[in-house]
Amino acid sequence: DQQVKQNSPSLSVQEGRISILNCDYTNSMFDYFLWYKKYPAEGPTFLISISSIKDKNEDGRFTVFLNKSAKHLSLHIVPSQPGDSAVYFCAARGIFRHNNNDMRFGAGTRLTVKP
Amino acid sequence: DTGVSQDPRHKITKRGQNVTFRCDPISEHNRLYWYRQTLGQGPEFLTYFQNEAQLEKSRLLSDRFSAERPKGSFSTLEIQRTEQGDSAMYLCASREGALYGYTFGSGTRLTVV
Repeated sequence: DQQVKQNSPSLSVQEGRISILNCDYTNSMFDYFLWYKKYPAEGPTFLISISSIKDKNEDGRFTVFLNKSAKHLSLHIVPSQPGDSAVYFCAARGIFRHNNNDMRFGAGTRLTVKP
Repeated sequence: DTGVSQDPRHKITKRGQNVTFRCDPISEHNRLYWYRQTLGQGPEFLTYFQNEAQLEKSRLLSDRFSAERPKGSFSTLEIQRTEQGDSAMYLCASREGALYGYTFGSGTRLTVV
């Protein structure tokens, strides 16, 4: 079951412009959302997160927005830089009583920032 | 502490052979996870340890797969009688407790020929 969906497999933007990566989820038990960034031949690295009690979290050029009613979150990168080119995974975490695997990942969006 | 280490980085094996991967988590992290990632997909959960106890196994983990974490430190993932469908990136992650995010290793890329 794909509880976390990233419907855009790729995104290309010009350097300096805004990158918007989207993510949808289906399980209302998720209470914490994370974005991971992955370069080729490396493991995913944590980028930014947001709790379900908030609707926005900002860290420098990165802002994550959460719309709980729509079960949708987005990652905004502004201004985009060529070094931001990577695959971005959306992940959602929930506390499930009998399930210790509480992290679900989307399929990822490959962001390319053109100079 | 250099983060989560995985060894080897790459493994090419012939179909039918056994392979074993190792993960060294961050030392104070008591929770360790194995994930598998195939091309175009996000990481998929395989199994989870809290200290030395294997608390959960995914249905993706067939009986050819076994994982251990003796003494609650490093972990090994063994695949017996490898198949071409086992070709993937195998990721290990650790974290200190339930409320913390994962720290991933760089992964082991397995190619079964």
